Amino acid sequence: GNSVTQMEGPVTLSEEAFLTINCTYTATGYPSLFWYVQYPGEGLQLLLKATKADDKGSNKGFEATYRKETTSFHLEKGSVQVSDSAVYFCALSGGSSNTGKLIFGQGTTLQVKP
Amino acid sequence: NAGVMQNPRHLVRRRGQEARLRCSPMKGHSHVYWYRQLPEEGLKFMVYLQKENIIDESGMPKERFSAEFPKEGPSILRIQQVVRGDSAAYFCASSPSGQGNNSPLHFGNGTRLTVT
Repeated sequence: GNSVTQMEGPVTLSEEAFLTINCTYTATGYPSLFWYVQYPGEGLQLLLKATKADDKGSNKGFEATYRKETTSFHLEKGSVQVSDSAVYFCALSGGSSNTGKLIFGQGTTLQVKP
Repeated sequence: NAGVMQNPRHLVRRRGQEARLRCSPMKGHSHVYWYRQLPEEGLKFMVYLQKENIIDESGMPKERFSAEFPKEGPSILRIQQVVRGDSAAYFCASSPSGQGNNSPLHFGNGTRLTVT
């Protein structure tokens, strides 16, 4: 079945450092890929998405490129801020079973220190 | 435009009691999804409903758990005879069309269930 694997956290960085959170997926068909962010005590918010191979999703300085050849969707940001501290979830939907259901990775906690 | 509304925000139940979690989707959304987040884990899909229909319940435990989304009113996730292992955050999400590629899910802030 479809699945998503993320790098384990926590990831601890200093402010203005470069961020990469790795995400790989297994899916049949052609899924859409997403990054969601969860701040403490809140629900998930969509950060960015990509719906086909080679698409780049971007928002708030974060980027991720849909790489079909490596089945990856790594999240990057050039310069993190303390306010970026949160849990980040990679997810997929669609493929051969397009009910809109999201399959999530286990989440990666990011801690940014001033 | 109000987002996905879940209530209660926090719910405490003793073992053996029933828990009812409510979710009002965003205006215009007729597709609802329930997820469970155990401590230090990701979100696990439970059930997908449209108005008056369960479309996919492949993630629902076979016993004690049920869900509905009536024609009028919120979606309800019901857990009977709760046990400590049911303690988790339960998130509801909605979308207008159920086609995730073009209509990403919008999540509520969750209900945190604690079973004592």
